[in-house]
Amino acid sequence: DTGVSQDPRHKITKRGQNVTFRCDPISEHNRLYWYRQTLGQGPEFLTYFQNEAQLEKSRLLSDRFSAERPKGSFSTLEIQRTEQGDSAMYLCASSLLVAQETQYFGPGTRLLVL
Amino acid sequence: GQNIDQPTEMTATEGAIVQINCTYQTSGFNGLFWYQQHAGEAPTFLSYNVLDGLEEKGRFSSFLSRSKGYSYLLLKELQMKDSASYLCAPRGSNYQLIWGAGTKLIIKP
Repeated sequence: DTGVSQDPRHKITKRGQNVTFRCDPISEHNRLYWYRQTLGQGPEFLTYFQNEAQLEKSRLLSDRFSAERPKGSFSTLEIQRTEQGDSAMYLCASSLLVAQETQYFGPGTRLLVL
Repeated sequence: GQNIDQPTEMTATEGAIVQINCTYQTSGFNGLFWYQQHAGEAPTFLSYNVLDGLEEKGRFSSFLSRSKGYSYLLLKELQMKDSASYLCAPRGSNYQLIWGAGTKLIIKP
């Protein structure tokens, strides 16, 4: 257990529905990352926050995806109008902005869109 | 462009030693991470190299050559629980990690 938690751990939804995932980072960590991972691939960067500011968002990311970190603590990732291609593991990682800045991952949320 | 090259899959025997190689091309360089990922689980941090040379941490060691764009992860005294994917992730000039598909390591008795 890295100290990063994600909720829910599993989500099954029907195409066209909206889903929201939550990530609680390690408390003193000021950076928070969202990734998506499909079978046999490495994590794909989606977006990241430093405190409450969203500093970067992947250019490949559809506008159906939005993320927030309103108080610089927990973060939410929302996917609107889900598609079958959104089925993946959604990973959250947090880090402390120091020289090494190791990212520690939560257990992930596995999404299945039917 | 940015690119990572690792073998897709490797097989080794319990108790043996295995070396997983990684070559990379990045725009700038700010360190390289190795993560372990068991099937269905999240990546867990193994090691970090920012200077050339070998970093040893118990059964696991990681080596970096910045001039060659090359790193390897060395696993000694292999155990069945080491069966996992191993992800090499260099950090580029924008301080973001660059992820490849990783190497799936299969340990046989």
